[in-house]
Amino acid sequence: GALVYQYPRRTICKSGTSMRMECQAVGFQATSVAWYRQSPQKTFELIALSTVNSAIKYEQNFTQEKFPISHPNLSFSSMTVLNAYLEDRGLYLCGAKLGLGGSETLYFGSGTRLTVL
Amino acid sequence: GDSVIQMQGQVTLSENDFLFINCTYSTTGYPTLFWYVQYSGEGPQLLLQVTTANNKGSSRGFEATYDKGTTSFHLQKTSVQEIDSAVYYCAMGDNNNAPRFGAGTKLSVKP
Repeated sequence: GALVYQYPRRTICKSGTSMRMECQAVGFQATSVAWYRQSPQKTFELIALSTVNSAIKYEQNFTQEKFPISHPNLSFSSMTVLNAYLEDRGLYLCGAKLGLGGSETLYFGSGTRLTVL
Repeated sequence: GDSVIQMQGQVTLSENDFLFINCTYSTTGYPTLFWYVQYSGEGPQLLLQVTTANNKGSSRGFEATYDKGTTSFHLQKTSVQEIDSAVYYCAMGDNNNAPRFGAGTKLSVKP
């Protein structure tokens, strides 16, 4: 079956520093990768959608300058949180899917929990 | 704009009770609708999805019908069990965007 691994599971960084998180698709080729943030008391905020051979599409309130994403091949994606502050804390989820259509299932990893001190 | 609304923040039931979780959506297109379930300490996993209006999806005793008339996709289960305790998210996806999620409904089932 399709599996998505995220690394690290938990991380702590000092305010103003940066933190990189990774997402690995196993058993399928991730044509599209979506990054979400689940903040305390909030639902999933879509950060960006990365599709192979297309520009990364960032949602309002999220920018490439703050959350640069790399999607170098069909099994791997990474995202960095630059200059992290308290409001950036939360569970960062990577969702990967095989196809380009909206009906394709999104398979999620267990997330990277970011704590900012 | 596009949105998914789950009004119930929390639902508490006893085993064998009937479950109903409300979900409505707003969009101008023809989305695919999903229910995801998130257990403690894990990422969300797909419970069921329906692509075509007026169709019903089902999995593990859970059902949801894509009702385009009322723009709803309510989740139901005849008899819940304690292991069903989790957070349930309604979501909506289309060809150009990643799925958008509702606020989630936390289900607690007492033995």
